[in-house]
Amino acid sequence: QKEVEQDPGPLSVPEGAIVSLNCTYSNSAFQYFMWYRQYSRKGPELLMYTYSSGNKEDGRFTAQVDKSSKYISLFIRDSQPSDSATYLCAMEYAGNNRKLIWGLGTSLGVNP
Amino acid sequence: DAGITQSPRHKVTETGTPVTLRCHQTENHRYMYWYRQDPGHGLRLIHYSYGVKDTDKGEVSDGYSVSRSKTEDFLLTLESATSSQTSVYFCAISESGTEAFFGQGTRLTVV
Repeated sequence: QKEVEQDPGPLSVPEGAIVSLNCTYSNSAFQYFMWYRQYSRKGPELLMYTYSSGNKEDGRFTAQVDKSSKYISLFIRDSQPSDSATYLCAMEYAGNNRKLIWGLGTSLGVNP
Repeated sequence: DAGITQSPRHKVTETGTPVTLRCHQTENHRYMYWYRQDPGHGLRLIHYSYGVKDTDKGEVSDGYSVSRSKTEDFLLTLESATSSQTSVYFCAISESGTEAFFGQGTRLTVV
C-alpha cells in the first residue's frame, strides 16, 4: 500500500460546478499537506499548503485536512475551463529531509 | 516564475550511452530534487540534494547518479541509458521543503 493514495480519475465536470479532490494517507507523522496543479506538458506548481489540521481558503480554492481520518481535500468553487489540469497532493513530515511524498494525481476536466 | 532552468528540454539517445541532464537555479535555494514522472507511477524521487556536495538517494535511484558542486547547479547522469529510463524528468528547488518550484521538464527517449 502506498503512503499516499489518490484516485487518478479522470474527473469531468461542467463549468461552474464545485469540485472535490481527495487524498488519503497512512503515515500519521505527516505535518504539511500540499496541493499542486500541473497543466499538460508543464511542471507542477504549488496551489496551497496547510500545516497540521484545519481549513485554508484562497479565492475559489479551499484545502481541508482531517488528521483523525488521515484524509485531505481540495475544493474548487465555480470551476472554470482553465482549472482543467492534474491535481497532485503531497505531504511531508519533519525529519524526512524535506522530501515530499506524492499522490498519483487526479486529472480534472471542466467543460464549458 | 522561479528561476529554474532545465536543459536539454528534449533528448533522444541510444541504449547504453551516458546522458547528463542539467538543472540550474538562480534562487539560491538549499534543496534541489530530481524526479521522473511516468503514467501510472506519478512523480518519483530519484535523488535530492540538501546542500553543495550533499546528496542522497530517492526511491528510484538505481542507474542514476547526481552531482552538486555549486549551489545553482544539480546534474543528473544516467550512467548507461536503458529503455526503462524513457520518461519526463523534472528538477525542483525549495528553500523550506514545503514549497517546491519545478522546472519545465526534460523529455528523454531512449531508443
